[in-house]
Amino acid sequence: DTQMTQSPSSLSASVGDRVTITCRASQVISNYLAWFQQKPGKAPKSLIYAASRLQSEVPSRFSGSGSGTHFTLTISSLQPEDFATYYCQQYNSFPPTFGGGSKVEI
Amino acid sequence: QLQLQESGPGLVKPSETLSLICSVSGDSISSTSYSWGWVRQPPGKGLEWLGTVSYGGSPYYSPSLSSRVSMSVDTSNNQFSLKMTSVTAADTAVFYCVRHDGGSWYFPFDYWGRGILVTVSS
Repeated sequence: DTQMTQSPSSLSASVGDRVTITCRASQVISNYLAWFQQKPGKAPKSLIYAASRLQSEVPSRFSGSGSGTHFTLTISSLQPEDFATYYCQQYNSFPPTFGGGSKVEI
Repeated sequence: QLQLQESGPGLVKPSETLSLICSVSGDSISSTSYSWGWVRQPPGKGLEWLGTVSYGGSPYYSPSLSSRVSMSVDTSNNQFSLKMTSVTAADTAVFYCVRHDGGSWYFPFDYWGRGILVTVSS
């Protein structure tokens, strides 16, 4: 299986901060990488697919980049509703696998 | 707007079979443009893909669960299902149904259901 490693596992930030989360794959996955946001007690929400393409209605302060094995999710100016856990997921190799999550706290 | 809604028993006894249904509204499950999957999340832990099924296509299951998991599509009721046999306490989780924006597992998820907590306990 392709292992997905996220860092940091948690971070503290303030409203207005620029936040970057990293996801590394154990093998090359091209750009078959998605990001999800999950708030406590809620279902995950799809944010980004194909490493950098925003799902519909996702605010433009979210962006993704990377290819191969190294990917990043950036929130350009953190808003109160962005405090959540973020997961990356690869869908290049079978089976699809998720990273362990990165919790963004106040 | 697509909506996915999981349903099924919230409590299953050890060694029994877990059965869940995902009802789809806002789109036809027989569309060949999409496929349908299940993801679970044990309490306080991360996400795990269980499998993907599509109308007219072969199902794909997580290798670690393939001996216990089966999925199917029910076009008459516009829903799809998950069955997991011989459950143990380790299978306690919130189960989410998802839609892939394409016809197989190698397409990204775009929509998620709200999730259903299934507890395995006697």
